[in-house]
Amino acid sequence: KAGVTQTPRYLIKTRGQQVTLSCSPISGHRSVSWYQQTPGQGLQFLFEYFSETQRNKGNFPGRFSGRQFSNSRSEMNVSTLELGDSALYLCASSPSGGQQAFFGQGTRLTVV
Amino acid sequence: QQQVKQSPQSLIVQKGGISIINCAYENTAFDYFPWYQQFPGKGPALLIAIRPDVSEKKEGRFTISFNKSAKQFSLHIMDSQPGDSATYFCAAVYAGGTSYGKLTFGQGTILTVHP
Repeated sequence: KAGVTQTPRYLIKTRGQQVTLSCSPISGHRSVSWYQQTPGQGLQFLFEYFSETQRNKGNFPGRFSGRQFSNSRSEMNVSTLELGDSALYLCASSPSGGQQAFFGQGTRLTVV
Repeated sequence: QQQVKQSPQSLIVQKGGISIINCAYENTAFDYFPWYQQFPGKGPALLIAIRPDVSEKKEGRFTISFNKSAKQFSLHIMDSQPGDSATYFCAAVYAGGTSYGKLTFGQGTILTVHP
């Protein structure tokens, strides 16, 4: 069974730009969650989608958004990038949300 | 309170020794407690998990001990190997209400196993 696939692996963007990250979950998993990982803040929950609906959202500004498609693939978008958005963005898929969550390798975003 | 507190921040163990990482939580609604292992440049990998109705779970060299009354749980790595050197995260999940999909993570423990 293929694992969670995140693309791209690395991104360099300029302040003020926007970026879209993609996540393909494990086949059969309907829940996709997104996390931001930084050395200072650790792993922080962004949001969770299940069957194309956002069910939960963390404490991040509205510049961070996401969506899920009918095939369970998910994208997250960050608009008006700030230097502080530089982080490893991780996607996790699970059958129904939270439990048995498997992570992708992440997308390393650098904002310059 | 949604926090999960993890200790120590870093741990150095000799090959063959026992590595012990501790976590404490506050929210008694948490009902699933996984541990993740992360190598540099990789995403966290699910190691082992436990539910609060079980006091201990063992998988190979990895054991979770769970103390529901103290709201604490710990990861024990027996016969630690240099290949176990990684960052370990404990986490907690509440599957109900509006907490879908949200893993609350500890701050992580950097484990170094010396040969």
